[in-house]
Amino acid sequence: EVQLVESGGGLVQPGGSLRLSCAASGFTFSNYDMHWVRQAPEKGLEWVSSIGTAGDTYYLGSVKGRFTISRENAKNSLYLQMNSLRAGDTAVYYCARAETTVTTGGYTEYFQHWGQGTLVTVSS
Amino acid sequence: QSALTQPASVSGSPGQSITISCTGTSSDVGSYSLVSWYQHHPGKAPKLMIYEGTKRPSGVSYRFSGSKSGSTASLTISGLQAEDEADYYCCSYVSSAVFGGGTKLTVL
Repeated sequence: EVQLVESGGGLVQPGGSLRLSCAASGFTFSNYDMHWVRQAPEKGLEWVSSIGTAGDTYYLGSVKGRFTISRENAKNSLYLQMNSLRAGDTAVYYCARAETTVTTGGYTEYFQHWGQGTLVTVSS
Repeated sequence: QSALTQPASVSGSPGQSITISCTGTSSDVGSYSLVSWYQHHPGKAPKLMIYEGTKRPSGVSYRFSGSKSGSTASLTISGLQAEDEADYYCCSYVSSAVFGGGTKLTVL
C-alpha cells in the first residue's frame, strides 16, 4: 500500500524557516516524480513545487528563490526547505506522488496518492 | 500559468446530475494536457476522481465522468448522493501543475 506521511509543519514567525519532510513507502520512490501542493485557509489547492526522478526541479513563481525541493531516494524521502516565510505561505502542505502519461504533445501528470498534509502557520 | 476557472458553487438534489466546468486556455486545458479531477473533503487528503480527461481510477464510482470540449473540461456526477458533497478541483499539467479555483458541491 502506497503511503505518504508529511511532517515538519508548525508555527513560525515571518522571515523564518521550516523544513517539511514526506516519508514514502509501499512503492519504489526513485521511480516517481514528486510534488508539493498546498491549501491556504479558505482557499483552493495550489501547486507549489515538483522534483523529477533525475532531480530536475520546478517552482511556483511566488516561492521561487525561497523554497527548495529535494529528495533522498535512499531514505524514500521528499523535502521542502522553506525560507523567508511570509503570512501568505500559511497553508496545509501536501506531498503527492505523480503518475506520468505520455501524450501527443509531450507528457502530463496527475496525482493519485496524497499524504494527509502538515500545517504551516506563519505568524508573529 | 493562471488558475483554471471553475464555478464557485453548484448544487443538486439527491438523484440528480450536475456538471462542473473547468475553463482554461489553448496552452493548458486546450493543449495536449489531460485534465484530472479531485474530490476534497475538509481535513482529508484530496482524492483523484478522473485522470487523463475521462478515465476513472479503480474504486471510483461510475457516477463520475469527465469530458472536454476545446479549452473547457467538465466533470459530471450523476445520481447525486449526500456523500458527494465536497469541494472539487480540476488540474492541468504542462511542465507544472495548475489547479482550478475549486467548486463547492452542495447536495440539497
